[in-house]
Amino acid sequence: SVLLYQKPNRDICQSGTSLKIQCVADSQVVSMFWYQQFQEQSLMLMATANEGSEATYESGFTKDKFPISRPNLTFSTLTVNNARPGDSSIYFCSSSPRGVYEQYFGPGTRLTVL
Amino acid sequence: GDQVEQSPSALSLHEGTSSALRCNFTTTTRSVQWFRQNSRGSLINLFYLASGTKENGRLKSAFDSKELYSTLHIRDAQLEDSGTYFCAAEGSNYQLIWGSGTKLIIKP
Repeated sequence: SVLLYQKPNRDICQSGTSLKIQCVADSQVVSMFWYQQFQEQSLMLMATANEGSEATYESGFTKDKFPISRPNLTFSTLTVNNARPGDSSIYFCSSSPRGVYEQYFGPGTRLTVL
Repeated sequence: GDQVEQSPSALSLHEGTSSALRCNFTTTTRSVQWFRQNSRGSLINLFYLASGTKENGRLKSAFDSKELYSTLHIRDAQLEDSGTYFCAAEGSNYQLIWGSGTKLIIKP
């Protein structure tokens, strides 16, 4: 398995501000994924981030709103720009160990936008 | 329509009883994963299946890639089994396509 850590575990911010969520893996991983989950709903894949390349975004998510960096094989950040109350949700990073398909998740970052 | 149809959406069991969750897939998928999300929001990977069945304690999962479905059986349910269970199918680009979840409540 791979252990993923996220920081912060929760945040409250004002509308119009930006915030960064960090994800750190305990081993090198090829792909890191970012998910959004609204309360009582399923997970939505936002983007896939591979080291050294631009993240690939899913429909409904844009680089301008949710820029993602992947500077090395153990780290990724998700930024929420111009946060709005509709962005209030839990954000998860996930990944798989090399050569393994099982996905493992970080503990999530619970964001509340006022 | 949805590519992964998960049922039931909610389930209430008494301790010691057994039941099954199911996911139907509308398109071919190479694999399925099952997750449990606890009340704190943490997601735990229960199973990865490319075919056949796997068992872990009181949990057993099966994946039929030809008939396009997967099941998760919970035997002798315990209070700690409460949570929301998700299945996720492997998409064409190796991304996961998620079911809508089953909220499971175990009653004493």
